[in-house]
Amino acid sequence: RKEVEQDPGPFNVPEGATVAFNCTYSNSASQSFFWYRQDCRKEPKLLMSVYSSGNEDGRFTAQLNRASQYISLLIRDSKLSDSATYLCVVNTLNYGGSQGNLIFGKGTKLSVKP
Amino acid sequence: DAGVIQSPRHEVTEMGQEVTLRCKPISGHDYLFWYRQTMMRGLELLIYFNNNVPIDDSGMPEDRFSAKMPNASFSTLKIQPSEPRDSAVYFCASRYSETLPEAFFGQGTRLTVV
Repeated sequence: RKEVEQDPGPFNVPEGATVAFNCTYSNSASQSFFWYRQDCRKEPKLLMSVYSSGNEDGRFTAQLNRASQYISLLIRDSKLSDSATYLCVVNTLNYGGSQGNLIFGKGTKLSVKP
Repeated sequence: DAGVIQSPRHEVTEMGQEVTLRCKPISGHDYLFWYRQTMMRGLELLIYFNNNVPIDDSGMPEDRFSAKMPNASFSTLKIQPSEPRDSAVYFCASRYSETLPEAFFGQGTRLTVV
């Protein structure tokens, strides 16, 4: 089982739609969780951290369910500029117990159409 | 700060040649990561350093790959000898600490081995 799994998509949605991405992770001891965004032929950039209580940043809402080892990202009122690949990221323990590993899912591609 | 700086941006080399990729992390960041990204496998963590010390190199594909961090401001990833299957985008990323876990990526090196 891969450490971080995402639906690869693509998700093709019209402007203004609400779209949700899901992610599961395998290491129950993971401590930190993030969503990154990667535009075509660019580097990944942090979109938002994911907190246990859930958190919102404008049109973006992230949720974490530790019991199910599940992370989600909801985008409301999607814009053309939201078209990108969204990467689920988990900060895991390595064999030595360090929290240094940042493990990325393969990403979910979103295409927002006019 | 200029962010994470990688060089070269593009590299085309012949099979069997040695390739050296370079990275300058953000000043003051304790962690440095090397990732490889392909369409098939997504972003794979190759190795990461904490305070210039390699912590987890379990992602390094084989002995042809080696990475060093001689000081806090410089790291290299070397492939010797290179093979066509090494063709990918190689990203370097750095982050301040485990308590501030956001990782900042360089623009990547697009490697093509022919």
